[in-house]
Order: sequence, then structure tokens, then C-alpha cells
Amino acid sequence: DAKTTQPNSMESNEEEPVHLPCNHSTISGTDYIHWYRQLPSQGPEYVIHGLTSNVNNRMASLAIAEDRKSSTLILHRATLRDAAVYYCILRDVGTGGFKTIFGAGTRLFVKA
Amino acid sequence: DVKVTQSSRYLVKRTGEKVFLECVQDMDHENMFWYRQDPGLGLRLIYFSYDVKMKEKGDIPEGYSVSREKKERFSLILESASTNQTSMYLCASSIPGSSPLHFGNGTRLTVT
Repeated sequence: DAKTTQPNSMESNEEEPVHLPCNHSTISGTDYIHWYRQLPSQGPEYVIHGLTSNVNNRMASLAIAEDRKSSTLILHRATLRDAAVYYCILRDVGTGGFKTIFGAGTRLFVKA
Repeated sequence: DVKVTQSSRYLVKRTGEKVFLECVQDMDHENMFWYRQDPGLGLRLIYFSYDVKMKEKGDIPEGYSVSREKKERFSLILESASTNQTSMYLCASSIPGSSPLHFGNGTRLTVT
């Protein structure tokens, strides 16, 4: 099962953009890149996902490298409510997406 | 919105007790998952189910069993609770393939 690597923590100022990196050098052709975030005392919350093309939604943007070995979650204007642990994971549609592996994630600190 | 409900937020049990953790989802999802989350270890998959009465072991199934008698309900069973099973337990559901996982808010289990 392919794994992901993320920095342990990052810091951002409020109202500035945040770029959260993720490396997945062993990604396979059937792996979708997913991002989730987890606020304190809550379960992880889906943020965005994609396969090859960049994706945008109301929460964030996902930029996927051309070789798909890395990706970046972009929060366009960080707010204090975005302080959370962000997980980058791979879901293999070829095997039904069952064995989804979560790493330790990146803890994002947002300064006012 | 998909709702995944875990029956208890906090649970305290004694060593050797049989413990049931219940999870219900309201969106007719085929797939359901049980994870445990421990500091520094991220989320680890215990068991998953892709249909009623169907179950598969995840990465750390030892000491656990599961039951899925109805599509909307997935139960995690600790046959004889031990202190090393003190953890946060997270249930999730999804449709098959690359679709997002939807998590409950977790059950924090303490075994004394």
C-alpha cells in the first residue's frame, strides 16, 4: 500500500495563504489523493480529493504534480478555525479503497 | 449531509470486560471502517466491511472482532478489554471506490 509523507507541523499567519505539502513517491495509477483535516475532539473531515488534475472546492484547492509523486493542499486565506491536523492519504480505487493508510499528518498552527 | 454516529463519546471499562462500540450511518453506504487513533501513530485500520455480514481484517485486528448484521450498523467488539486498548476509536463509512470517507466523532475508550 502506497504511503504519504508530510511535515510534522507548519505555521501560518491569519488571512495568508497556506501550502501544505505531501509526498507520495510510490503512488500507483489507481490511487486517488485525498485530504482530510481533524479539529480537536472531532473525527477527520473530508477536504478535497483528486486523481491527476488540480481541483478546487469551497474549502481549498489541490495541486497535483505532473508525475503525481507529490501534491499540495492550498488554503487561500487561513483563519483561526483552520488550525487542525491535516492528513494526506491515498485511496486505491483498484482495490475498492479499503486499506486506506493514514500517516501522522501535519499540524497547522494559525497565528492571529 | 452524511451522518455517522458513534453511540458513546466517552467510555470507561475494566480489564477483562467485553466491550461493544456501535456505529450507525444514515446514507446507505456499503463500506464501513473501524480505526483507532493514538498519539504519534495516526489512524490505524482495525477492520472494515464492504457489505452486510462481510468483514475483512485491517492492519491491527488482534484483540478485536466486528459485526455487521444490518447495512447501516457496524459494531466493534473487544472480547476481553486490556489496558493497551485504551484509545480513541473512529468509525467511518463510504461508497465503494475513491469516494470520501465520512467519520464519526469518535469514542474515547479508557480501560482500567
